[in-house]
Amino acid sequence: DAKTTQPNSMESNEEEPVHLPCNHSTISGTDYIHWYRQLPSQGPEYVIHGLTSNVNNRMASLAIAEDRKSSTLILHRATLRDAAVYYCILRGGYGGSQGNLIFGKGTKLSVKP
Amino acid sequence: EPEVTQTPSHQVTQMGQEVILRCVPISNHLYFYWYRQILGQKVEFLVSFYNNEISEKSEIFDDQFSVERPDGSNFTLKIRSTKLEDSAMYFCASTELAGYSYEQYFGPGTRLTVT
Repeated sequence: DAKTTQPNSMESNEEEPVHLPCNHSTISGTDYIHWYRQLPSQGPEYVIHGLTSNVNNRMASLAIAEDRKSSTLILHRATLRDAAVYYCILRGGYGGSQGNLIFGKGTKLSVKP
Repeated sequence: EPEVTQTPSHQVTQMGQEVILRCVPISNHLYFYWYRQILGQKVEFLVSFYNNEISEKSEIFDDQFSVERPDGSNFTLKIRSTKLEDSAMYFCASTELAGYSYEQYFGPGTRLTVT
C-alpha cells in the first residue's frame, strides 16, 4: 500500500500561514493526493485534492512536488477554527474498487490566538 | 449546502443488544460508506455500498454488522449483538461517484456507547 508520513503535531499563530507537509515516497502514477481534516468532535471534512499540479480552493492550497513524493497543504491565514487533525491520504488502486479512504494518524494542528 | 445527517447523535446500549444507526446521505449521491473511530484512534473503514449491495468491506465488518438502504433516503448500519469493543464514533459518508478524484462527505457521527 502506498503510505503517507506526516508530523504528529504542529503549532501555528492565528492569522499566519501554515504549511502542513506530507511525504509519500511510494506514490504511484495514478494516486490522487487528498487532504481531509477532522475538527474536534466532528466527522472528517474534505479539504482539497490533486494529482500533479498545484491546486487552490476556498479552504486551502495544495503544493505537489515535481516528483510527487511529497506535498504540502497550505492554509493561508490560520484561524482558531482551523485547529484540527489534518490527514493526507493517497487514493488509488489500493484503496478498494470504490475508493474507501484509509486514514493515518494525521497532523494535529494547534492554532494560538 | 447539502450535508450528510446521522441519527441519533448518541446511543447508549447494553452489551448483546441490537442497535441501528441511521444516516441520510446527500440526495444525488450514489456511493455510501460507514467508518468508525474508537476514542483516540484512527478513523477506520467498515463498508461501502452501491446499487443496493455491499461493494467492499473491511475485516472489522463481520457477521454482526449489516447495512441496508431501506428507502430512497436512509442508509443504516445494524449491529446485531453489541460488544463492549463496538463503543466508538460511527461516521456515515457519501460521494456522488466512486472515482479516486471524488471527495467523500461525512456526517457528524453517532457516538455508540456499549455498557
